[in-house]
Amino acid sequence: GIQVEQSPPDLILQEGANSTLRCNFSDSVNNLQWFHQNPWGQLINLFYIPSGTKQNGRLSATTVATERYSLLYISSSQTTDSGVYFCAVEGARGSTLGRLYFGRGTQLTVWP
Amino acid sequence: DGGITQSPKYLFRKEGQNVTLSCEQNLNHDAMYWYRQDPGQGLRLIYYSQIVNDFQKGDIAEGYSVSREKKESFPLTVTSAQKNPTAFYLCASSIWTSGRETQYFGPGTRLLVL
Repeated sequence: GIQVEQSPPDLILQEGANSTLRCNFSDSVNNLQWFHQNPWGQLINLFYIPSGTKQNGRLSATTVATERYSLLYISSSQTTDSGVYFCAVEGARGSTLGRLYFGRGTQLTVWP
Repeated sequence: DGGITQSPKYLFRKEGQNVTLSCEQNLNHDAMYWYRQDPGQGLRLIYYSQIVNDFQKGDIAEGYSVSREKKESFPLTVTSAQKNPTAFYLCASSIWTSGRETQYFGPGTRLLVL
């Protein structure tokens, strides 16, 4: 399979602060997604970003596929941003095609 | 409303008993997936099905079984052979649009084996 490493594992912020989450992956990928898991366990897709940069409100993401990493930026964080952020990649060849491989996530806690 | 439903939300079972987790979707998606999540871990793929009456093992299929008799349903049975079944189980379905596949997740079932 594909190894997906996320850093940092834990992040504690004061409301209003900015943060950068990183995702490294070990092989070529067709697809990369960022998910947010809320405290009740629901996973929500934030970005589909196999390459390039996308922005959605206070969140933005950049993937450099040739260097096998992606970054998720959170600006002006709010308490509702708390939860676990997962990076997941879909392999580009052989048995990894069509399957998502998840990192261990970054646990974000935003204090008021 | 369209979506993915999983039931029950919480499930308690005694050790040695089989238990079946339900996953239903009304999104008309062809593919469905079962993942397991342990505390502090990412999601790991148990089984997936690309089409009715067909399914494949994921990375941690031992001790689990599935069926896909209908497009909208993909139940997961946790058997007594699964050595450590206590976990959070997530079901997903996916669709190809504009050349990409997007997975949508259900709310999950927390299984506690005593």
